Amino acid sequence: KAGVTQTPRYLIKTRGQQVTLSCSPISGHRSVSWYQQTPGQGLQFLFEYFSETQRNKGNFPGRFSGRQFSNSRSEMNVSTLELGDSALYLCASSSGLSNTGELFFGEGSRLTVL
Amino acid sequence: GENVEQHPSTLSVQEGDSAVIKCTYSDSASNYFPWYKQELGKGPQLIIDIRSNVGEKKDQRIAVTLNKTAKHFSLHITETQPEDSAVYFCAASMVVAAGNKLTFGGGTRVLVKP
Repeated sequence: KAGVTQTPRYLIKTRGQQVTLSCSPISGHRSVSWYQQTPGQGLQFLFEYFSETQRNKGNFPGRFSGRQFSNSRSEMNVSTLELGDSALYLCASSSGLSNTGELFFGEGSRLTVL
Repeated sequence: GENVEQHPSTLSVQEGDSAVIKCTYSDSASNYFPWYKQELGKGPQLIIDIRSNVGEKKDQRIAVTLNKTAKHFSLHITETQPEDSAVYFCAASMVVAAGNKLTFGGGTRVLVKP
């Protein structure tokens, strides 16, 4: 069974640009969550999508957005990039059913903002 | 919102010794407490989890204990091996029909010295 696939794995952008990251969940999983990982703030929840609807949202500014497609693939977008957006962005998939808490993480997309 | 504190931030143990990592959480509504292991260059992977209706759970060399009254839970690794070297994260969430979002602790970097 293929795991969670994130693309691209590495990318470099400059301040003010925007970026789109992609996540393909495990087959059959309907929930996709996004997390930001930085050395200073650790792992922070961005948002969760389930059946193309945002179901939960973390405390990030509106520059961070996402969407989910009918095949459960998800994208997240960060607009007007700031230096502080440099981080590892992790996608995690799950079945999305209640009482099933396990998240399966991808290897992440490492974003560097110059 | 939920806040999870994790200690220690780094832990060095001799191979064969035990390692203990402790976490406290703030939201008494949290009912699901997973532990994730993150190896270099990879996404976090679930190693064990516990739900609030259970006080202790074991899986071979790892065990987790939960004290709901005190709102703290701990990870115990016995007979540590070099492959246990990684960063460990505790997390807390409320798993309900409307999805779940994990609040992670700051992580513990474990080094097992041969």
